[in-house]
This record gives sequence, C-alpha cells and structure tokens, in this order.
Amino acid sequence: GAVVSQHPSWVICKSGTSVKIECRSLDFQATTMFWYRQFPKQSLMLMATSNEGSKATYEQGVEKDKFLINHASLTLSTLTVTSAHPEDSSFYICSAKQGLRSQYFGPGTRLTVL
Amino acid sequence: AQSVTQLDSQVPVFEEAPVELRCNYSSSVSVYLFWYVQYPNQGLQLLLKYLSGSTLVESINGFEAEFNKSQTSFHLRKPSVHISDTAEYFCAVSDAAGGTSYGKLTFGQGTILTVHP
Repeated sequence: GAVVSQHPSWVICKSGTSVKIECRSLDFQATTMFWYRQFPKQSLMLMATSNEGSKATYEQGVEKDKFLINHASLTLSTLTVTSAHPEDSSFYICSAKQGLRSQYFGPGTRLTVL
Repeated sequence: AQSVTQLDSQVPVFEEAPVELRCNYSSSVSVYLFWYVQYPNQGLQLLLKYLSGSTLVESINGFEAEFNKSQTSFHLRKPSVHISDTAEYFCAVSDAAGGTSYGKLTFGQGTILTVHP
C-alpha cells in the first residue's frame, strides 16, 4: 500500500523556537495533504488542508501565521510551528491523498515544547 | 458541520469473543464513513469504508461494519477477536457532497480495544 513518512518522529524544543515537520508520500504523488493534531486521549483534529502549489486552507480557530504549511511538491508538505509554546505540545499527524482515493496517514510527530 | 461520537473509550474483551465498537455520526449532508486502526507507535491504517452501495462492508481481517442511515450509525463488529486486534480504532466521516470540504475527515474520539488471553 501507499506509504507516508513523517520526520522527525519526535522533537523537543525550547519555548519561543520554531520547529519544522516534514510529511512525505514515498510511492505516490499526493495532490492533497492534510495536517491533524491529536492531544492526549482526544481525537484527531484537522488543522489545515494543503494542495500542491497553492496556499493551505486552515480550519477555523487554527492560526495560519503560527502553523505555516508549505506543499512545495507532490510528495512533500511541511508544517512549521513558529514561536512554539508549551500549549503547542501535541501529536501532529499528516495524511496524503491522491485524487479521489483514500487518505494515507503518516506515523505522526510528537512535539514537546519546554 | 459534522460530528462523530464513539460511545466507548475502552473495550476490553477476551480472545475469541465477539466485539462491537459503536460509532454514531451527525451530518446535514450525505457522508462517506470510515474506520481506521492505529497500532501502538504506528500511523492510522484504513480498516474499511462505506462510500455507496451495500450497507455492509468488510475488511480482509474479519471486521465488518454496517451503515445504518436511519440510526446514523456505523458500528464495527468482529465475531471472534485475536490478541493482535489490540489497538485503537477511530471512526471517521467525510462530506460526500463534494466542494471545498471534500476529503476532509472528522474523527471520533477513538476506542481502545484490548484483547486479553
């Protein structure tokens, strides 16, 4: 099946710094990628939808200046958490979709902000 | 707007027993329905999906789910579970009507299935 990778799998950073998370579709081209956030014992919440070559569409309540998303190619999307704070600590998961087919999820990135 | 409710946060069962994981949704438009499974330290994997046609859908590893439009439910069942089925299961819904929201998934809170020997 289709494989989606994320890097890094976990990251610890200091408050005020920025962190970049990569999401790659390894064996297919993804026209659309989604970014989710999952807090402990809670469901996945969609943060934004990114389409290759265009600006991301953010869900209500998600700060686009804080969570920068770039979908520069059909196999790579990045999420940058700018000026991270402890409340941004969470599990970030991406998914990739090719056309009308199912979404394939990455393994997630655990971010801890100290 | 759509929402998904998984009625049980944890379901413990013994090996070879039947199991049902409940999922109810609400939506003002027609929907597609999904069940995903997440094993420890792994990403989500699609277990099965309902897009159209037969309301009973099956997975390759013995799970099945039935779309019940009148009860807005999509419960997941397996007649005999194995230790290896221990995982977290997520029910999800997406807008089938197309448009800008097409493909977006709304997830339930997840149900942790623990199969005991």
